[in-house]
Amino acid sequence: GAGVSQSPSNKVTEKGKDVELRCDPISGHTALYWYRQSLGQGLEFLIYFQGNSAPDKSGLPSDRFSAERTGGSVSTLTIQRTQQEDSAVYLCASSFVQGHGYTFGSGTRLTVV
Amino acid sequence: KQEVTQIPAALSVPEGENLVLNCSFTDSAIYNLQWFRQDPGKGLTSLLLIQSSQREQTSGRLNASLDKSSGRSTLYIAASQPGDSATYLCAVKLGQAGTALIFGKGTTLSVSS
Repeated sequence: GAGVSQSPSNKVTEKGKDVELRCDPISGHTALYWYRQSLGQGLEFLIYFQGNSAPDKSGLPSDRFSAERTGGSVSTLTIQRTQQEDSAVYLCASSFVQGHGYTFGSGTRLTVV
Repeated sequence: KQEVTQIPAALSVPEGENLVLNCSFTDSAIYNLQWFRQDPGKGLTSLLLIQSSQREQTSGRLNASLDKSSGRSTLYIAASQPGDSATYLCAVKLGQAGTALIFGKGTTLSVSS
């Protein structure tokens, strides 16, 4: 596609439920990143995928968070047993070559009530 | 640990004024530096990308400079307009093999007409 597409744009969920956030990167971009932006905070790195290599999961805050990337394209970020502190905007970005500029999606605003 | 600081946190200027946003980073061994713009409730839009071997990049009324040795970058906006009102984020990437962009918390700019 023309840009990085994320869905849903907004998600309200009850505490304890699982949620899935989707990211569709720019076609041909081999690198894909997930970030989280909490109110009043900077962007926090979560996870990174590069081609067929094992993902860098070093930014995931707990084992309730996981992500996968199927076929080197679409990625899904899953948060299990959501907590109120998980409320944030989750941003996905992709780049053609590692180290080149990133293109970000518009994000998914997650609210845990 | 690399830290990115942006000063000021907020800035209000009248239309037409030239302005400078500052970004500093603690570790000069960066691969590149990128400036983004974020509008309220939206994702990030890439403005300028400066590779570590470059000193500056220009796009329209925007000029970004990079001084690796002093750990500083500036974003210069000429003849500011109300449409420039947004949050401006600076981010550094550590090494080509590195993964995450490390972001500052941003400068929120308000340009009044």
